[in-house]
Amino acid sequence: AQKITQTQPGMFVQEKEAVTLDCTYDTSDPSYGLFWYKQPSSGEMIFLIYQGSYDQQNATEGRYSLNFQKARKSANLVISASQLGDSAMYFCAMRDSGTSYGKLTFGQGTILTVHP
Amino acid sequence: DTGVSQDPRHKITKRGQNVTFRCDPISEHNRLYWYRQTLGQGPEFLTYFQNEAQLEKSRLLSDRFSAERPKGSFSTLEIQRTEQGDSAMYLCASSLAQFSGRSYEQYFGPGTRLTVT
Repeated sequence: AQKITQTQPGMFVQEKEAVTLDCTYDTSDPSYGLFWYKQPSSGEMIFLIYQGSYDQQNATEGRYSLNFQKARKSANLVISASQLGDSAMYFCAMRDSGTSYGKLTFGQGTILTVHP
Repeated sequence: DTGVSQDPRHKITKRGQNVTFRCDPISEHNRLYWYRQTLGQGPEFLTYFQNEAQLEKSRLLSDRFSAERPKGSFSTLEIQRTEQGDSAMYLCASSLAQFSGRSYEQYFGPGTRLTVT
């Protein structure tokens, strides 16, 4: 069974600084995908970044980058130059490679608070 | 707005009543998913449709729950004889079915928050 672990219930960061949100995963499948989603207080899940298990380079999307360490089974999200609007819940998720359609398994989430 | 939409956004119902939620996916997406999210937790998979076919149901989906996707377009999720434990956010997501990394990216709707009193 696949499992995603986010060990930081809450994180605080000063505006304009960088922050790292931790994510570890457990799977026996060689092919998998890792996602990060942002969930503001409004409730909608917003896709941030994707990393495939065979991707050689760490994924980047604007201010978001994914620090993928395959041997350690970690996929940490790095947000550079934090903004007040980054305050939200962040979820790490894994695509279930055991199916052809890729349902997602989510971690428990990390609440990020950006201070001015 | 070409994103995933869900209706209603909020629903308050009394225990024992039936409720139905609607999800309209992104028009070209043939895959549709329902997830349930309880307070302070990540979403949990409920069920999946490929076009109009319901191909998987989680064990979380008791026999009080039923989902449909007629004609492979919008989907409905019905809960019969609601219980207080059904109180949660119900999220719908859609995606394309292609074999590349970003194809599995699921786009989520705003969710329907259900409160059972």
